Amino acid sequence: DGGITQSPKYLFRKEGQNVTLSCEQNLNHDAMYWYRQDPGQGLRLIYYSQIVNDFQKGDIAEGYSVSREKKESFPLTVTSAQKNPTAFYLCASSPLTSYNEQFFGPGTRLTVL
Amino acid sequence: AQTVTQSQPEMSVQEAETVTLSCTYDTSESNYYLFWYKQPPSRQMILVIRQEAYKQQNATENRFSVNFQKAAKSFSLKISDSQLGDTAMYFCAFMSPILTGANSKLTFGKGITLSVRP
Repeated sequence: DGGITQSPKYLFRKEGQNVTLSCEQNLNHDAMYWYRQDPGQGLRLIYYSQIVNDFQKGDIAEGYSVSREKKESFPLTVTSAQKNPTAFYLCASSPLTSYNEQFFGPGTRLTVL
Repeated sequence: AQTVTQSQPEMSVQEAETVTLSCTYDTSESNYYLFWYKQPPSRQMILVIRQEAYKQQNATENRFSVNFQKAAKSFSLKISDSQLGDTAMYFCAFMSPILTGANSKLTFGKGITLSVRP
């Protein structure tokens, strides 16, 4: 079955620690995205990538970093510089067609203690 | 920059009735795409319906249809014969088409929580 996987579903970390969220897709999509979801805020774009070894900052990139070494994988690192990292994180992917429909993973809930 | 506004934070509807969720957006572009996504309690985002701005005909997917008013920059979602499984958050989203050498991204509204009452 084709799809997007994110692991783990729940993640707990101590304040000041970096943490990496996994996102893998087997849909052969070129583009991948990371969103952050907070209550009452909708989804906000953190980073996105359209090709391997290239990525662009979204609207709230500060305190986050990404890599795109393989087409299938787009991990997100939440660094200690992110002031309020507790949130729900969604990964998405899309083909590069004219309408660029995005398909979402199940999400990771990150809680920083 | 594009903005998407969903002014109603919550709505409730009786099972089997019809409900309309509102969305307005702001853009200077003439060609773009609009989406409604559903996020049930499982938090899995699911595409409900898509509308291309250059198409005058409103999109329809089974019980879901849109009322797209381009001049008014309005994009509402109508759910007919509401079912308990329609209980979810609904997000309106805007996307510019990909241009050569440019990048495209989704801009989301803040969402509306819809509750379907038995």
